[in-house]
Parts: sequence; C-alpha cells; structure tokens
Amino acid sequence: EIVMTQSPATLSVSPGERATLSCRASQSVSSNLVWYQQKPGQAPRLLIYGASTRATGIPARFSGSGSGTEFTLTISSLQSEDFAVYYCQHYSNWPPYTFGQGTKLEIK
Amino acid sequence: EEQLVESGGGLVQPGGSLRLSCAASRFSFSSYWMSWVRQAPGKGLEWVANINQDGSEKYYVDSVKGRFTISRDNAKNSLFLQMNSLRAEDTAVYYCASDRTNYYDTSGLRYWGQGTLVTVSS
Repeated sequence: EIVMTQSPATLSVSPGERATLSCRASQSVSSNLVWYQQKPGQAPRLLIYGASTRATGIPARFSGSGSGTEFTLTISSLQSEDFAVYYCQHYSNWPPYTFGQGTKLEIK
Repeated sequence: EEQLVESGGGLVQPGGSLRLSCAASRFSFSSYWMSWVRQAPGKGLEWVANINQDGSEKYYVDSVKGRFTISRDNAKNSLFLQMNSLRAEDTAVYYCASDRTNYYDTSGLRYWGQGTLVTVSS
C-alpha cells in the first residue's frame, strides 16, 4: 500500500500571499496524483489531477507540480474562500487509493 | 449540474447492518466506476470501495473486506453499500463519488455527494 504524507499539517498564510503545500508518496506514483479541497461541512472538491491539470472551473491561481514521489500544490494569491483543508490522493497501483492526512490552510 | 445524493445513514448498534444508497443524476452514471469514501469525525478521507461500470469488478480497503459489499443498478442510476458486522470504527460520513472511466483514466474522483452519517454505537 502506498502511503501519502502531507506537510505541513497546518499552514498559516495571509490573504493575498502564496501558499505552498507538499505531498510525498512512499513509492513512485508517476504523475497519478490528485488534489482535493474540503471546506467545513462540505464534500471534497476535485482541484488538480494528473499532478498538474486543473479540474473544470478551478481558478488559475491553483497549480500543481511534481512527479514520482514529490508533489506540490501552490495557491498563488490566497483568497478568503481558499482557506480549507487540502488532501492529496494517489491514483496509481490501486487498490487501495490512499489519501494524505490533509493540510489545513488557515488565515494568518 | 451533476448530482449525487446519499441516503440510508443513521445510528446502528455494533454488529448491526446498514445499507447506504447513492442516487446519481445529470451525468452518465453507467460510464463511470463509482467509489465510496468515508471520513470519521474530525479525521481525514479514507477510500472504502469501488465498482466498475457493469459491476463485475469490486475492490475494498482491507478493513472492510468480508463485511461491506458494493453494488450498483445502472437502470436506476444508483450505487449501494451494504455494511454488515458494523464496528465503532466504521462511524463516519460516507460519500459516494464518481471514479475512473477506464483503467487508464487518472482524473480523480470528480463528482461527490453531500455524504450520509453512519454512527455505530450502543
């Protein structure tokens, strides 16, 4: 089973600044990496797939990069609606799919 | 807009059973694998099971194998999760989500329902 590890657990950033979230896989997942955003009381929302492709309707300030075992989600200029929990998930060597434990992005 | 609506959650005693349903609309349900994902209170996401388009392939996380059964009815655009021998650690919000369209599709879990809460407690 592939273990996904996200860092940091909590990230405090001011609105308008850049946020960088990390995700590491215990073995290579190639580019088969997905990012989700989850706000309190809501279902997760697909942000990025294929490590770097934005899902339909996702603003350009969200970008993903990486391959193999190291991945990054960058939010270029934080808006108030971006403060949420972010999860990475691998889509390789399944089952099972596994998620990272999440990074909570909070307002500084 | 694509929609998934879960139902069937509730309070059940340890060892009991529950059947979750997920009704899909406004997208081609029969073209997708479908997944169940759960989230324990205050915790992260855990993939539970998925099923291919015609129901001939089913996969489960180890912790639910032999206890949970995923199924679907394409004529009714519906997904199900039969949960038996429930344990306290199965307490979670259960989400259904659209999955891949084929083995090579890695575009993620695209459409999600709002979730249904399952509480296992005496």
